[in-house]
Amino acid sequence: DGGITQSPKYLFRKEGQNVTLSCEQNLNHDAMYWYRQDPGQGLRLIYYSQIVNDFQKGDIAEGYSVSREKKESFPLTVTSAQKNPTAFYLCASRRQGPYGYTFGSGTRLTVV
Amino acid sequence: GESVGLHLPTLSVQEGDNSIINCAYSNSASDYFIWYKQESGKGPQFIIDIRSNMDKRQGQRVTVLLNKTVKHLSLQIAATQPGDSAVYFCAERNEGAQKLVFGQGTRLTINP
Repeated sequence: DGGITQSPKYLFRKEGQNVTLSCEQNLNHDAMYWYRQDPGQGLRLIYYSQIVNDFQKGDIAEGYSVSREKKESFPLTVTSAQKNPTAFYLCASRRQGPYGYTFGSGTRLTVV
Repeated sequence: GESVGLHLPTLSVQEGDNSIINCAYSNSASDYFIWYKQESGKGPQFIIDIRSNMDKRQGQRVTVLLNKTVKHLSLQIAATQPGDSAVYFCAERNEGAQKLVFGQGTRLTINP
């Protein structure tokens, strides 16, 4: 079955560490997105990518970085510059045109 | 900027009753709308969508209504069940845009 997979489900980060969240899709979707969700809050866009080797900053890109070397993969790195990284991170993909997102199951990141 | 907003952050209904979740949008150029359901600790799941050339679309126990005159979107859930308890997000796509604009979300609680 086609889908979008995020890993790990839970991730713990020490102060000053960089961590990378994985997102893989086999839907052949061109566009991929990363959102952050804080408890009881909505979705805030971190980065998105329309094609391989190209990506754009979203509303809250500071302290994050991404790459898009393959169509199927869009990893997100939470750097030490992100001062409040504890949150639920959601990856999504979408095909071109008037269509919605397919979301992954999320990664919960906690700073310890 | 453009935004999609929800009238009520929380909604409680009795099991078996019908529920209506409302959403206001401000961009008259939006051509596609979608509702997502997010259960605790999970990624949002597609419920139903509607294109701007339609006023109503029905799914299984759900109906989406689009009123372009007043820029209003609603999700009706018939005969609510405990499994309908979740946060519901509306989202819009501006014509030609590459990303969706999400509302804040409404938490729906089904009381036994």
